[in-house]
Amino acid sequence: DGGITQSPKYLFRKEGQNVTLSCEQNLNHDAMYWYRQDPGQGLRLIYYSQIVNDFQKGDIAEGYSVSREKKESFPLTVTSAQKNPTAFYLCASKERENTGELFFGEGSRLTVL
Amino acid sequence: AQRVTQPEKLLSVFKGAPVELKCNYSYSGSPELFWYVQYSRQRLQLLLRHISRESIKGFTADLNKGETSFHLKKPFAQEEDSAMYYCALWGGGGNKLTFGTGTQLKVEL
Repeated sequence: DGGITQSPKYLFRKEGQNVTLSCEQNLNHDAMYWYRQDPGQGLRLIYYSQIVNDFQKGDIAEGYSVSREKKESFPLTVTSAQKNPTAFYLCASKERENTGELFFGEGSRLTVL
Repeated sequence: AQRVTQPEKLLSVFKGAPVELKCNYSYSGSPELFWYVQYSRQRLQLLLRHISRESIKGFTADLNKGETSFHLKKPFAQEEDSAMYYCALWGGGGNKLTFGTGTQLKVEL
């Protein structure tokens, strides 16, 4: 079954801890994206990667880090430097040629206690 | 900088009534505009794009460059249209999709 898989679906962490969210795709897409979804604020871009071993900051990258060692995987680390990490995180991918059409995962909800 | 504005957080209509979800954008170049939809307990998915000029599930959207708008319309709302709708703009050198804040559409019986 092709698609994008995010894990875990729900995650709780204590303040001061780093946490890594997983995003895997088997669509053979070149580009991958991480968005943060907050009520009333829509989706805001955190990081994106157009190709393996390369990634760019989005609009709200502070307090986050990513890696892109494999085409299929684009994990997001929420560090303790992120001031307000409690949110719903969405991963997406797209074929390079197909501008604007992103395929999304089901999301991961992070709650900081 | 590119920006997408959706002025309504919530739009409530009765079944069978016309629907118009507003979207305005600011962008210096030639944009590509999209509408994405998120139904309850489903993942966010593409509804339609302005380039294809198609009707999906009875929805249409016309790009008006003069008014910098891309409003989503449907002549007769159905209960299953209830969802969160996001307008999005693809453009610029960054290869990224910029989303609006979203409009929750509620179709009442």
